[in-house]
Amino acid sequence: DQQVKQNSPSLSVQEGRISILNCDYTNSMFDYFLWYKKYPAEGPTFLISISSIKDKNEDGRFTVFLNKSAKHLSLHIVPSQPGDSAVYFCAASAGGTSYGKLTFGQGTILTVHP
Amino acid sequence: EPEVTQTPSHQVTQMGQEVILRCVPISNHLYFYWYRQILGQKVEFLVSFYNNEISEKSEIFDDQFSVERPDGSNFTLKIRSTKLEDSAMYFCASSEDRVLDTEAFFGQGTRLTVV
Repeated sequence: DQQVKQNSPSLSVQEGRISILNCDYTNSMFDYFLWYKKYPAEGPTFLISISSIKDKNEDGRFTVFLNKSAKHLSLHIVPSQPGDSAVYFCAASAGGTSYGKLTFGQGTILTVHP
Repeated sequence: EPEVTQTPSHQVTQMGQEVILRCVPISNHLYFYWYRQILGQKVEFLVSFYNNEISEKSEIFDDQFSVERPDGSNFTLKIRSTKLEDSAMYFCASSEDRVLDTEAFFGQGTRLTVV
């Protein structure tokens, strides 16, 4: 099942710089997208979401961009901090037809170096 | 801050045995979910539960799996006859509404090891 793909298994960034995490999807029924962060031995923690009627959503240092025509979304973290080091999952929902089912990508390990 | 709690944190069981994984969702949430993550693989949806019945389930959620909300606070996942391939981290989640409107909050997970 490759409906949601995160093609970069890992990303390494210097503290203070921008981190850009990418996600592609194939299912046209997806209309709601979320980013989760996960530390070892913990469950995923919600970060930010975007509905398909928008192309951008910001929350503090986190911004998610959605390009529906390209079926691509990205998460920007500015400025990056060492505490941001974690696994980041992109997830998608076909809201109108689904009772909360999230389809996850494989995750990208972000390492922010001091 | 309210959180989803799961017990136990680690469960080891023999193949063929029944296991019950327990979850206490956030108290005012109405939608409940189970996901699993096999080591090195994606987080996969198993089932969603609303109004005391299954709303949606994946092809993974076959007859050996069942869910229950026995007492209005706990939400359980039962695996009737465990197989080696059931070894995974199991996450419970809950949300106020369908995920379209609010995010799902995840528990810390139960690591199930089938030997």
